[in-house]
Amino acid sequence: GAGVSQTPSNKVTEKGKYVELRCDPISGHTALYWYRQSLGQGPEFLIYFQGTGAADDSGLPNDRFFAVRPEGSVSTLKIQRTERGDSAVYLCASSLLGGDTQYFGPGTRLTVL
Amino acid sequence: QKEVEQNSGPLSVPEGAIASLNCTYSDRGSQSFFWYRQYSGKSPELIMFIYSNGDKEDGRFTAQLNKASQYVSLLIRDSQPSDSATYLCAVNGKNYGQNFVFGPGTRLSVLP
Repeated sequence: GAGVSQTPSNKVTEKGKYVELRCDPISGHTALYWYRQSLGQGPEFLIYFQGTGAADDSGLPNDRFFAVRPEGSVSTLKIQRTERGDSAVYLCASSLLGGDTQYFGPGTRLTVL
Repeated sequence: QKEVEQNSGPLSVPEGAIASLNCTYSDRGSQSFFWYRQYSGKSPELIMFIYSNGDKEDGRFTAQLNKASQYVSLLIRDSQPSDSATYLCAVNGKNYGQNFVFGPGTRLSVLP
């Protein structure tokens, strides 16, 4: 079956703008995760959804970051008033259940000018 | 102390040799351990996972877990140039909830 998909693959924006990043998980996977990866570092956890609800959002760096998963499938990560420090690759992963093996999408490379 | 630590490398081994990648973690309650491979510019892909102390083999890969020492390793036998990548250790456990905590990764270079 299809893997995790993410759109767009690349996003260039200007400081202060709003961006949305989309993730479409593997069909049937109830758990969905967002990570952020900077160059030379491992993925850093942002938020975890179990179904429609955010089960753990402790990794969101501040209130400019928000994510939704209204129907328990596709998720959108929203970043307001982007800053240059937000530039990174944003990875989405899904798993059958929380805590199971996670499968990653190709990522969205966000560049804030 | 960082939660999951790995040597950043690069670790260079000749083709055909055994590559040994190490990872230590700080949370004694950790329960699940995963190794991912990440090629440059690509997303992480799962190599294998291990839950119990001891060794687990899958083809050329062997994961080793020692919970008492809070240590997990990955051995790659008969290393190939195509194994050149960054290897990420990820840990999941009761104090981390359901998310994974990743180490910084070890860059492996297999020389032909």
